[in-house]
Amino acid sequence: QKEVEQNSGPLSVPEGAIASLNCTYSDRVSQSFFWYRQYSGKSPELIMSIYSNGDKEDGRFTAQLNKASQYVSLLIRDSQPSDSATYLCAVNRNTGFQKLVFGTGTRLLVSP
Amino acid sequence: DVKVTQSSRYLVKRTGEKVFLECVQDMDHENMFWYRQDPGLGLRLIYFSYDVKMKEKGDIPEGYSVSREKKERFSLILESASTNQTSMYLCASIGTTYEQYFGPGTRLTVT
Repeated sequence: QKEVEQNSGPLSVPEGAIASLNCTYSDRVSQSFFWYRQYSGKSPELIMSIYSNGDKEDGRFTAQLNKASQYVSLLIRDSQPSDSATYLCAVNRNTGFQKLVFGTGTRLLVSP
Repeated sequence: DVKVTQSSRYLVKRTGEKVFLECVQDMDHENMFWYRQDPGLGLRLIYFSYDVKMKEKGDIPEGYSVSREKKERFSLILESASTNQTSMYLCASIGTTYEQYFGPGTRLTVT
């Protein structure tokens, strides 16, 4: 079992729709959760962090965390073609070092 | 804003050459990382450093070494470049809340 799992996609949504990206993790003691956006040929960019159960909203983005079920999700409202990218989920690894484990990412395609 | 910079965006080297990739961060972060990213394989951790002169192997350290002489600078060294080290190399640093920031990446081609 991978430590952080994501569906590779592509996830295709029409412009204006809600895109829902999901991530599950295996380490029950993980406390910090992140979403990164990566455009083709570019480096990952941090877009959301979430540390406690529930929802966290930032503009069109909402991160949702459910520690009991060990999943974290990212909702993108009013999706735009510029949101087309790969979204990486990351979780802290509980090794005593400050280190993250990354999923392999979900590719999102938003069609005009 | 956190800024992580890398010495080169694109680099072309020949097989057997020694290659230095440098990374600098300006947020006084203690922990720094080197990854490589290849299509279909995701981000793979090569080495990380949790303090000056301290380093730990990541998941794929073979063929690489690192150096951290100053807190803000973390270097990745390919002692003898090989074609299978052609990749995108990403440096990152992490803060106390685990927020990790990446540099722009270096696309290395070894011919």
